Amino acid sequence: DIQMTQSPSSLSASVGDSIVITCRASQSIDSSLNWYQQKPGKAPKFLMFAASSLQDGVPSRFSGSGSGTDFTLTITSLQPEDFATYYCQQSYSTPYTFGQGTKVEMK
Amino acid sequence: QITLKESGPTLVKPTQTLTLTCSFSGFSLSTSGVGVGWIRQPPGKALEWLALIYWDDDKRYSPSLRSRLTITKDSSKNQVVLTMTNMDPVDTATYFCARKDQRVLYSYDSNDSYDFFDYWGQGILVSVSS
Repeated sequence: DIQMTQSPSSLSASVGDSIVITCRASQSIDSSLNWYQQKPGKAPKFLMFAASSLQDGVPSRFSGSGSGTDFTLTITSLQPEDFATYYCQQSYSTPYTFGQGTKVEMK
Repeated sequence: QITLKESGPTLVKPTQTLTLTCSFSGFSLSTSGVGVGWIRQPPGKALEWLALIYWDDDKRYSPSLRSRLTITKDSSKNQVVLTMTNMDPVDTATYFCARKDQRVLYSYDSNDSYDFFDYWGQGILVSVSS
């Protein structure tokens, strides 16, 4: 299995801040990296595929980058609705493993 | 409008077999590139990928759970069923089904296909307890 490691596990930020979440794969996954957002008690919401391609309707303050083993999710000008847990997922080979999540909390 | 919904028991006893059904609408599991997957999430923990069935009936399983899982589809009924044998309290989790779709990105020297789960069910919390 390809292991996905996110950092940090949690972070505190304020509305208007920019934040960066990192995801590292245990082997190269080219650009086969997805990002999801999950709020408490809800299903994950699909944000981005191919490391940097936004799903339709996702605000442009979300951006992604990376290839190979190292990836980042950046949220600029954090909004109140962005406080949530974020997961990366590799879709390079099955099992399509997820990272352990990064909880973004309000400072 | 694409929707998925999980159904099944919310309480099972240890050693029992869990059968979950994902009923979906708004897409066809006969369409090339489409699949339905199962993902679970123990309370307060991360997402765990369990299984995936493709439009062509190809099936993939989590290696650590492969011996306990079976995924099947009934495209005419728009349903996907997941069975998990020998349930244990550590299997207590919210179980989600999700649509797998794919997108091809074209560049000057390659056409690369990317899979993702774009629509998810609300999830069903399954507790394992005697």
